[in-house]
Amino acid sequence: KQEVTQIPAALSVPEGENLVLNCSFTDSAIYNLQWFRQDPGKGLTSLLLIQSSQREQTSGRLNASLDKSSGRSTLYIAASQPGDSATYLCAAVSDNMLTFGGGTRLMVKP
Amino acid sequence: DTGVSQNPRHKITKRGQNVTFRCDPISEHNRLYWYRQTLGQGPEFLTYFQNEAQLEKSRLLSDRFSAERPKGSFSTLEIQRTEQGDSAMYLCASRRNSAPEAFFGQGTRLTVV
Repeated sequence: KQEVTQIPAALSVPEGENLVLNCSFTDSAIYNLQWFRQDPGKGLTSLLLIQSSQREQTSGRLNASLDKSSGRSTLYIAASQPGDSATYLCAAVSDNMLTFGGGTRLMVKP
Repeated sequence: DTGVSQNPRHKITKRGQNVTFRCDPISEHNRLYWYRQTLGQGPEFLTYFQNEAQLEKSRLLSDRFSAERPKGSFSTLEIQRTEQGDSAMYLCASRRNSAPEAFFGQGTRLTVV
């Protein structure tokens, strides 16, 4: 059974800092790794998807990497802004489901 | 694409009542998922449809829960005899068979009083 862990559970940083969110998964037989953002009381917004054959994906200030052999993914956020404050969730994607970690709650202070 | 649509957005119900939620996936998305999320936790898988066929169900989906996708388009999730422990956000997602990215709706927030 796939288990996904995200560290840290919460993070508070001053505006402008670069930061790294970590995601680990126990079963490396995944199809993809998908990162989401969730604002309070809202649904999930897809940020980046890394297919199992890829090592990383980039979108704007976001860069996600995937190392299947070690069961790890990281989300790098450059030059953080207060608008980045949200919960970030990673999901290990198999053929028929996404398995989520508990999320990292990020607060970026002005 | 208009996105995944869920209705209602909020539902308050008394314990013991039945509730039904609706999910309209993105057009032509074959796969549809239901998840439950409680406060401060990641979403937990409930069930998965490939077109109209329900192919996977979690043990979380007790006999009080039932989901349907009768024509392979929209889906409904019904909870019978609601309990306070059913209070959560219920999320729906969809994706194409041929594309790996899943898209989520805004969720239905259920409060059982």
